[in-house]
Amino acid sequence: SAVISQKPSRDICQRGTSLTIQCQVDSQVTMMFWYRQQPGQSLTLIATANQGSEATYESGFVIDKFPISRPNLTFSTLTVSNMSPEDSSIYLCSVEEPGGTGSYEQYFGPGTRLTVT
Amino acid sequence: GQSLEQPSEVTAVEGAIVQINCTYQTSGFYGLSWYQQHDGGAPTFLSYNALDGLEETGRFSSFLSRSDSYGYLLLQELQMKDSASYFCAVRDLSGNKLVFGAGTILRVKS
Repeated sequence: SAVISQKPSRDICQRGTSLTIQCQVDSQVTMMFWYRQQPGQSLTLIATANQGSEATYESGFVIDKFPISRPNLTFSTLTVSNMSPEDSSIYLCSVEEPGGTGSYEQYFGPGTRLTVT
Repeated sequence: GQSLEQPSEVTAVEGAIVQINCTYQTSGFYGLSWYQQHDGGAPTFLSYNALDGLEETGRFSSFLSRSDSYGYLLLQELQMKDSASYFCAVRDLSGNKLVFGAGTILRVKS
C-alpha cells in the first residue's frame, strides 16, 4: 500500500496569510485527492489533482482559494489562501490503489491540522 | 447525487458484537466501502463490497444488499482499540471519487 507523508503536520496561522501543504507519495499515482475534515465531521473532497492537468474542484471550492500543484506523479501541494478562522480544519491528501476484490482503496496521509487565529 | 446515512454514535462493551448500518442513495453504484478513523489519525480502509453478501476479514465483516441500498459493518469480539469513527463511502457517478457518510462514533466500554 502507498505510504503518504504530509508537511507540515500542524500549523497555527494568522488570518489573511496563506499556507502551502505538501503531500509526498512513495509510488507513482495518477490521481491525488485533497480533503478537508472539520472537527467531528466527515471528509469533504476539495479537489482531485491529476499530473499534467488542472485540478478538478468540487462545488464550494475554488482555485483562487485552494490552488493546487501537481508537478509529478508522486507529489502535490495544496495552498490555503487568504485564511480565515473558518479554514481551521484538518487537510488530508489521499491516493487510490486497486485492491484485491476489484475495489479501489484510498490511502490517506496523516493530515495537516491547521488553526487560523 | 449521492447521500449516505449512518448512525451518529454507537456504544458497546468489550467482547460484544456491534453492527453499524449504512443506507445510501446513488445515481449509479460502484460498491460500498468502510473506513476507520481513530481520534487524531488518518482514515484507513477496512472493506469493500460490490456484490451482495457478507465479506469477512478477521473480526470485521461487511455486508451489502444492493436491492435495499443498504450495508453494514459488523465488528466482533470488540476491543477497546476499536473505539473510533467509522465511515461508509460510495463512489460517485463518474466513478472517480468517493463520497463519505457522516461517520459513526463507536465507543467501546470495559
